[in-house]
Amino acid sequence: QKEVEQDPGPLSVPEGAIVSLNCTYSNSAFQYFMWYRQYSRKGPELLMYTYSSGNKEDGRFTAQVDKSSKYISLFIRDSQPSDSATYLCAMSAGNYGQNFVFGPGTRLSVLP
Amino acid sequence: GAVVSQHPSRVICKSGTSVKIECRSLDFQATTMFWYRQFPKQSLMLMATSNEGSKATYEQGVEKDKFLINHASLTLSTLTVTSAHPEDSSFYICSARAPIIIYQTGGVGYTFGSGTRLTVV
Repeated sequence: QKEVEQDPGPLSVPEGAIVSLNCTYSNSAFQYFMWYRQYSRKGPELLMYTYSSGNKEDGRFTAQVDKSSKYISLFIRDSQPSDSATYLCAMSAGNYGQNFVFGPGTRLSVLP
Repeated sequence: GAVVSQHPSRVICKSGTSVKIECRSLDFQATTMFWYRQFPKQSLMLMATSNEGSKATYEQGVEKDKFLINHASLTLSTLTVTSAHPEDSSFYICSARAPIIIYQTGGVGYTFGSGTRLTVV
């Protein structure tokens, strides 16, 4: 079993749809959970960060963490074509980059 | 703020030659930078941790003699792929821990460079 699993997609949705992206993990020591957006041939950019369990909302984006189920989600409301990208979940037990574990990413296409 | 500049964005080289990739933190000091490798449709894989003024720490399976890392200043880390071969063709990305992002997110923040696509022919 991989440490972090994520459906690679591709996921295609119409503009305006609500998008749900998910990751599951096996390491119960993970405390920091992040979502990155990566456009084609670009470096990832940090979208959302959550520490431990709970929800966090930022504009059209909501991140949820359920540590009991080892499951994290990113919701995108009113999706736009500009949201088309690969979304990577990342998690860490500590506050140091060498402990980051990335999911493989989900390719999202929002169709106008 | 908290920008990491990575150059070149794309490089094509002949098999057997060496290629240097630079990663600069533009508006902050980065004592630690990280180098990742990403194959198509695959996840980011950490190759090594670059520490300013000391030797880099390589992940298991990464050849330190092939992937030379130098972090000579607080704003510059370089990755040199020596004697490149076609199997080294990949997308290389650096990242750094950015204090500004840490403040905004409350604890953890890493900013990434824009990546370098290396093609060895």
